[in-house]
Amino acid sequence: EVQLVESGGGLVQPGGSLRLSCAASGFTFSDHYMDWVRQAPGKGLEWIGRIGNKANSYTTEYASSVEGRFTISRDDSRDSLYLQMNSLKTEDTAIYYCTREVRQILWWYFGLWGRGTLVSVSS
Amino acid sequence: DIQMTQSPSSLSASVGDRVTISCRASQSIDNYLNWYQQIPGKAPKLLIYAASSLQSGVPSRFSGSGSGTDFTLTISSLQPEDYATYCCQQSFTPPYTFGQGTKVEIK
Repeated sequence: EVQLVESGGGLVQPGGSLRLSCAASGFTFSDHYMDWVRQAPGKGLEWIGRIGNKANSYTTEYASSVEGRFTISRDDSRDSLYLQMNSLKTEDTAIYYCTREVRQILWWYFGLWGRGTLVSVSS
Repeated sequence: DIQMTQSPSSLSASVGDRVTISCRASQSIDNYLNWYQQIPGKAPKLLIYAASSLQSGVPSRFSGSGSGTDFTLTISSLQPEDYATYCCQQSFTPPYTFGQGTKVEIK
């Protein structure tokens, strides 16, 4: 089955760190660009960042709201994506989704989503 | 950053109604615009990519149009399973921003 499964969410204090994981299955993980998208309670979706594939030299890009605090990485041998979150703030409280990009000629979109993992930042 | 503004933020409609949702970009994004459906408690699902291309498996009652800064998602005949939140997303340039969402509710 083609799927993405996130894990690692939980409650953390402001200033703390957390590492999310995303396990991919059912497709050739190493071929795809992968992204993290989050959704704060009652809010819209927010793109956090992406990591390219080997052909792209695993280039990363981040939203300004997380740049310098969050790091996206991947392990193609384990079909896994990671999000290392440091210096967490209360406004980072959200459901975090792992997504797979689908690229079609000039266009791309988030073609596969995990079910998300909840991160709560609170004292 | 490119701002994506949807209207309305919510609407009430009956089964069989034609529903139109608008999405406006703060600058031109050509046709690099995707639409997603999100049902509470579930992950978003792609409906439309490249502004007007229907994702495989998505019912033909969904359609998208527009280019540049103004885009529209249309549901030609609303079905019970369509009650959800719909959001647009630009894939033109990072950060890849989303609209705030339009909640479609039962009238």
